[in-house]
Amino acid sequence: GAGVSQSPSNKVTEKGKDVELRCDPISGHTALYWYRQRLGQGLEFLIYFQGNSAPDKSGLPSDRFSAERTGESVSTLTIQRTQQEDSAVYLCASSLVAKYEQYFGPGTRLTVT
Amino acid sequence: DAKTTQPNSMESNEEEPVHLPCNHSTISGTDYIHWYRQLPSQGPEYVIHGLTSNVNNRMASLAIAEDRKSSTLILHRATLRDAAVYYCILSDDYKLSFGAGTTVTVRA
Repeated sequence: GAGVSQSPSNKVTEKGKDVELRCDPISGHTALYWYRQRLGQGLEFLIYFQGNSAPDKSGLPSDRFSAERTGESVSTLTIQRTQQEDSAVYLCASSLVAKYEQYFGPGTRLTVT
Repeated sequence: DAKTTQPNSMESNEEEPVHLPCNHSTISGTDYIHWYRQLPSQGPEYVIHGLTSNVNNRMASLAIAEDRKSSTLILHRATLRDAAVYYCILSDDYKLSFGAGTTVTVRA
């Protein structure tokens, strides 16, 4: 079946502009996660959605970062007033149940110039 | 979060087994041991996870020490497709924190 998809695959933006990154989870997966991977580094947890519960935003690095999810479907990660240190690959994952197997999308490579 | 220690890199020959060690001496009783791998330019891929007992699936086996302070991921017959960075992660909830991992190179 279809896996997690993300768009765009690549995004180049100028410093100070806002960007929106989209994630389409696997159908039926109630849990959705966003992670960030800077060049040569491991993944950092950003935010977690589970059904209609309040999201866990504890990993968001600043108030310039926000995310939304509509029900158990698409999620959007928004970065306002982008900075060069925001350059990274942003990965989305989904799972049937929290804590166990997470299925990752291919990521969006964000470059802030 | 409890930390894990993995070798930076390992090499293997094709069709030979690969044993990837992971030390986690500060593991708590509720921590699961997860393994993911990441092929070049792709998102991470789930490999296997366990709590106390050894686990097997179609991709690999996970051997967990009796005191749970270490574990070993076993790839039974390495293929060129298994060349990736392998991450050993401890977590008792949904947050996965990936470190540097072990870069596995498979020689044809």
